[in-house]
Amino acid sequence: DAGVTQSPTHLIKTRGQQVTLRCSPKSGHDTVSWYQQALGQGPQFIFQYYEEEERQRGNFPDRFSGHQFPNYSSELNVNALLLGDSALYLCASSRLAGGKGTDTQYFGPGTRLTVL
Amino acid sequence: GDSVTQMEGPVTLSEEAFLTINCTYTATGYPSLFWYVQYPGEGLQLLLKATKADDKGSNKGFEATYRKETTSFHLEKGSVQVSDSAVYFCASPSGGYNKLIFGAGTRLAVHP
Repeated sequence: DAGVTQSPTHLIKTRGQQVTLRCSPKSGHDTVSWYQQALGQGPQFIFQYYEEEERQRGNFPDRFSGHQFPNYSSELNVNALLLGDSALYLCASSRLAGGKGTDTQYFGPGTRLTVL
Repeated sequence: GDSVTQMEGPVTLSEEAFLTINCTYTATGYPSLFWYVQYPGEGLQLLLKATKADDKGSNKGFEATYRKETTSFHLEKGSVQVSDSAVYFCASPSGGYNKLIFGAGTRLAVHP
């Protein structure tokens, strides 16, 4: 049973560029959440997708957008990259349970984004 | 807003020493509580969880008990190994949609 997968593993971009990160959830999971982890810090919630819609959003600007596909995979897009966007981007999947959404989140290995 | 506070690191121990990493949370409504571990250059791995008060989560010799009265979920291990060296994160859901909030992480270094 494959776990959560993310691509690419590493990415180097320059300021002002746009980037797309991809995530495939664990088998049987229908909910995908994205987190940003700056060096030496805990992960910060970006947003969560369920049924191809954004259900909740953290304190991130509109430059951060996402999408979920019918097969539950997801993309994170970041426009107009800033140096401060350099971080490890983590995808987590879970299975919505009883509408309360409290099921355990399983994380992928992350995508390391460096903005020069 | 909700928050999770865990003890600052780094924590440096000798092999076979006892480990405690403190964690307290503020979320109300009896949330599930989690400990995740991050090894160098990797993503987060679920270490253990507890879903209600007085539950004890355990895995790989690590334990944590959900204490509602003190809003705590401290991580313990009786005898650490060099392979336990990693960063440990305490986490709690916040709000109605399973958004996780994390502590700042505690780096553990175990020496032979």
